[in-house]
Amino acid sequence: GAVVSQHPSWVICKSGTSVKIECRSLDFQATTMFWYRQFPKQSLMLMATSNEGSKATYEQGVEKDKFLINHASLTLSTLTVTSAHPEDSSFYICNPTGGLIGKHEQYFGPGTRLTVT
Amino acid sequence: AQKITQTQPGMFVQEKEAVTLDCTYDTSDQSYGLFWYKQPSSGEMIFLIYQGSYDEQNATEGRYSLNFQKARKSANLVISASQLGDSAMYFCAMREGERGYGGAQKLVFGQGTRLTINP
Repeated sequence: GAVVSQHPSWVICKSGTSVKIECRSLDFQATTMFWYRQFPKQSLMLMATSNEGSKATYEQGVEKDKFLINHASLTLSTLTVTSAHPEDSSFYICNPTGGLIGKHEQYFGPGTRLTVT
Repeated sequence: AQKITQTQPGMFVQEKEAVTLDCTYDTSDQSYGLFWYKQPSSGEMIFLIYQGSYDEQNATEGRYSLNFQKARKSANLVISASQLGDSAMYFCAMREGERGYGGAQKLVFGQGTRLTINP
């Protein structure tokens, strides 16, 4: 399967600070990046979609000024949680796609567990 | 509106038994894909199996098979000969629109089923 990395795997930060999460597709070019979050004991919910070189589109209820997404290259996308608050504590997972033409699998990063104190 | 429904929040199965995890879906698209993922306690999403809406045969991948009943809009996952390592959360997901050149569609997930394999 495709190799996707995410960094950091976990982070604890204080309320009001910003956290940057990186997602890399190591062996394919991701023209589209989906960012999901998963609250404890819940399912994955899509936050935003970004295409390489374009601005991200956000799902309803997700603040675009709070969750900054950069998808400047085909192998790297970043999600920055600005002015984090305890309610932002969640598991964030990236899903790079677009480079596996003809294949039906979709691969996810290993996730980043964010805890805001 | 919720498009993927997993009605079993939790299941307990004896080791070596077969287990079926239920998944029903709702879509007006003719072209769609159905996925199953395993999520262990580490949180990573492990791809298990895929079924396209136009696939005539049920998908199989090792011990995993997908019981696809299009008319009933169900896509149940069957795990044969369960193992202790199968204990995890399992998510059913749907993607509307089969992948084509330049296309990328999001996945919509069900609520998941927590499977516990007992020794």
